Amino acid sequence: DTGVSQNPRHKITKRGQNVTFRCDPISEHNRLYWYRQTLGQGPEFLTYFQNEAQLEKSRLLSDRFSAERPKGSFSTLEIQRTEQGDSAMYLCASSFRSNQPQHFGDGTRLSIL
Amino acid sequence: GENVEQHPSTLSVQEGDSAVIKCTYSDSASNYFPWYKQELGKGPQLIIDIRSNVGEKKDQRIAVTLNKTAKHFSLHITETQPEDSAVYFCAATTDSWGKLQFGAGTQVVVTP
Repeated sequence: DTGVSQNPRHKITKRGQNVTFRCDPISEHNRLYWYRQTLGQGPEFLTYFQNEAQLEKSRLLSDRFSAERPKGSFSTLEIQRTEQGDSAMYLCASSFRSNQPQHFGDGTRLSIL
Repeated sequence: GENVEQHPSTLSVQEGDSAVIKCTYSDSASNYFPWYKQELGKGPQLIIDIRSNVGEKKDQRIAVTLNKTAKHFSLHITETQPEDSAVYFCAATTDSWGKLQFGAGTQVVVTP
């Protein structure tokens, strides 16, 4: 049974650089979600997709953030001109259909030097 | 929007004892309440969930209760074991297929 896969697991970059994360959801899961988790806090919603359509974006998702799910399968989250405050764990989740739970990947930890 | 508060932030229990974590939510329209367990370096793992048309749900040593009038729900773990040590998160949403609003988490430590 293949779960949600996220790559890379850890990314270290200098302030001002661009970074991109990838999420591969569970096969046939229509919805894909991105959350951000900082130390000692619960995950915070960023955005979600149904197939390739981005249905909702949080106010947390500034202009420097962009997410795509081009063919309704994997998704990418890009952060441009990274800042210290972007340091966090970025979590991806997927769900099959309404009334089915969200299943999370193990996240990508972003560290900004 | 929805706001979820979770207590306590840390919980230390002796192996074999019970652990209870409580959460309150603000939006009376919330109708789906999952609980996740997160181990160090891992993503949250769903352990149990409950919908607003049910007052209680049990799965082996884990149970969740929901009081819609008071807008709070609780996680009960009985006969705790060292492998229950982790951070537990409650969440709430008005749409089980939409975004989840999480509590701040409870660090549970089970001592042998």
